[in-house]
Order: sequence, then C-alpha cells, then structure tokens
Amino acid sequence: EPEVTQTPSHQVTQMGQEVILRCVPISNHLYFYWYRQILGQKVEFLVSFYNNEISEKSEIFDDQFSVERPDGSNFTLKIRSTKLEDSAMYFCASSRGALGYTFGSGTRLTVV
Amino acid sequence: AQSVAQPEDQVNVAEGNPLTVKCTYSVSGNPYLFWYVQYPNRGLQFLLKYITGDNLVKGSYGFEAEFNKSQTSFHLKKPSALVSDSALYFCAVRDSRSGSARQLTFGSGTQLTVLP
Repeated sequence: EPEVTQTPSHQVTQMGQEVILRCVPISNHLYFYWYRQILGQKVEFLVSFYNNEISEKSEIFDDQFSVERPDGSNFTLKIRSTKLEDSAMYFCASSRGALGYTFGSGTRLTVV
Repeated sequence: AQSVAQPEDQVNVAEGNPLTVKCTYSVSGNPYLFWYVQYPNRGLQFLLKYITGDNLVKGSYGFEAEFNKSQTSFHLKKPSALVSDSALYFCAVRDSRSGSARQLTFGSGTQLTVLP
C-alpha cells in the first residue's frame, strides 16, 4: 500500500537554528499538507499546497515557516529560526482529492 | 468554519465490552468525517471515513461509526474491545462543498484504555 514517507523521524535542534523537515507524498496525489501536534495536544493544520503554491494556511504558519516542492517528489517544511515552542510532532499528509488523506509517521522536532 | 468536539478526554472500558468514542462536528455544508488512531510515538493511522451513503460505516480492526446528521455526530464504536485497542483516537472533519478548504480539522482526541 502506498505510503507517505517522512524523514528524519526525530530531529533535535538548537533554538534559533533552521530546520527542514522532509516528506515524500504518494506519487499520484495532488494535495499536500503539513500538520503539527504539540505533545499531548490536538493535531493542528499548518498549511496545504496544490499546484505548486500554498492554497491554505493557518495562523500558526507565520513568516518563520515555508514550504517547497523542489523536485516534483519531495515536499519540505522549513522553519527558519526555531523557537522552543516549535517542539512538536510534524505530520505530512497527501491526498488525491477529497477522499483519501494519507498521513506520514511524523517527525518529532525537539528544540533545545 | 469547521470544528470537531470530542467531549471525553478519556474512555475506559473492560476487554470484551462494547466501546463508544464520541464525536460531534460543525460544518457549513455537508461533512466528510474521519477517524484516526494514534499509538504511542507513532503516526496517525486511518480507521474509517464517511463521505456519503450508508450512515453506518465499517472500518479497520472491527471499528465502525454511525453518521447522525440530525445530531451532527459521528461516534466510533466497536462491539467487543481488545486491550490492543488502547490508543489515542481522533475524529476529523472537512466541509464537502466545492471550493472549501480541503484541510482536516481535528478534535482534541480521546484516550481509550481497555482494561484486561
């Protein structure tokens, strides 16, 4: 069964550093998403991406965040200058249309 | 705007007993509804979804959910709980209207503990 692959599974970074979280969506999917889950809290939407541009973003997705699909297969989330409160599990997801969201296994980001 | 409420943070049930995890939703149009399960330190695993049609949806691992439009609910059920069902369960919704945002809105999660 096709999977969404996320790397790394765990990343530790110092406050103020830039991090890039990587995702390989399912190949025939058209919509791509990032969500995050702060420990013990709900899963929150960050951003959706379609046709090589952001289609929706939440209030969380401020100027420190950016997304890219650099080569037609990878989908990345960049945090320019990490803060302690960015520590969370970050999930990538993709969907072909409305019916099939597939989530990756997540990247646990720890900012120290 | 779309929203989901999971009124119970924690549900405990004895193994072999039926379980219910509650979910209510709010959307402007018709809903697409989903249940996901999360085991410790793992990702979100899809259980089932309601798009249209039969109000009773059957999913993975013996789970099912009933869509109730009048009560705006989509409760997750299983006739006989297993200890291995112990996990965190999330309900999610999105509006089916064309042109509406495609992202899912998640509930706060319900921790299910099945006691042996």
